[in-house]
Order: sequence, then C-alpha cells, then structure tokens
Amino acid sequence: KAGVTQTPRYLIKTRGQQVTLSCSPISGHRSVSWYQQTPGQGLQFLFEYFSETQRNKGNFPGRFSGRQFSNSRSEMNVSTLELGDSALYLCASSLDLVGSRYEQYFGPGTRLTVT
Amino acid sequence: AQSVTQLGSHVSVSEGALVLLRCNYSSSVPPYLFWYVQYPNQGLQLLLKYTSAATLVKGINGFEAEFKKSETSFHLTKPSAHMSDAAEYFCAVSDLKAAGNKLTFGGGTRVLVKP
Repeated sequence: KAGVTQTPRYLIKTRGQQVTLSCSPISGHRSVSWYQQTPGQGLQFLFEYFSETQRNKGNFPGRFSGRQFSNSRSEMNVSTLELGDSALYLCASSLDLVGSRYEQYFGPGTRLTVT
Repeated sequence: AQSVTQLGSHVSVSEGALVLLRCNYSSSVPPYLFWYVQYPNQGLQLLLKYTSAATLVKGINGFEAEFKKSETSFHLTKPSAHMSDAAEYFCAVSDLKAAGNKLTFGGGTRVLVKP
C-alpha cells in the first residue's frame, strides 16, 4: 500500500505570495492532519480534516487554511507569505478507527522557503 | 493542555551501547503516547505506541518504551545502538479532550552514534 504522498517536495516563494501544498493520504485513511516543523518552534499542529470538514485547528493565523476533498486528498494554503513561514510542512493520515485513533502516518513533507 | 518534555536535545552513544531517550508528559487523563523517528530529509516514522494496554511496548528496529503513570514518563530504549539509529526522535501525546487526531510533540532528541 502506498504511503502518504506530498507535492511538491520543495518550494521557493517570495514574501507576499501565496502557496498551495497537496497531500494524498494512505488509501482508506479518512483523517488528514497538517503540521509545521521549524528549528525554533519544533513540530506544531496546524489543522485536521475528516470527511471534508475541519475537525481541529491549531494556533496559527488565518493566513493558513486547508481543505479536504471527497477522495480524502487535502490541500493547505498559506496566503501573504512571511519569512517566518519557511518550514517543513508535514501531512499525516490516520485510519481513525477504534484501536488506531491518533496513530498517524506521515508523508515526506514539503520544504517551503520564503525569500 | 497536554505537553511533552524530552530531556536532552542531543544524545551521543557508542555503537553497541544502550540508547535511552527520556520523555515526560503532562496530561489530565492517561493519554495515548507515541515515539516517532525522523531521518534527514524525511517525514516521521512511527516507532511504537502506547494505548492503555501493556505498559511495556515493543516497536520496530529493536526499540521499546515503558509507560509509567506514577512518573508520567514514556522513555524509549534500545539495548544496543546501531549506526543506522542516528536520527531525531520525537515523543508525542494525544489530546484526548480535543476532537479528532491531534498530537502534541516534544522538542525532539537528536541521536548521534559513534563507531
């Protein structure tokens, strides 16, 4: 079974631009979560989607948004990019059934550099 | 709110020596606990999980962890380090009060294995 895939793997953007990152979960997984990883702040939870609905949200500004499609694929968008948005963005999927809840499987990440 | 503390941001061990990575959590209810490993330029890989069954949990690559409620700890060990164990390790706790699959991560411990 294929793992979580994220595209693109690397991205360079300029301050003020917007960016969209894509995540395809493991087949059959209905929950998709996004995390931001930076050297200074570590791994921080952005949001989670389940059945096309945002189920949970972290403490990030409204510039960070996401959505999930009917096939469980998810996208996250960051508008008006700032230098501090440079990070590794990780997507994780979960089967979200009793016995496997919270067990998340991560993709390789998208490395975003804002200049 | 849940929190996770990993003692030691860097650990250096000799090949063949014991690996011990410390994790303490703060939670109002017994949480689910996880250890993940991250190799350079990769996403996070699940090593093992505790979900209120056996307190001693065995994972992949020879790692195991013991849940101690009285100490609010979930330390990760491996009897004999291998060069391939060089990576960054993250302890994570589930947020059982939040809807969905939200994980809170510790700051990570980078392991260096000396030949």
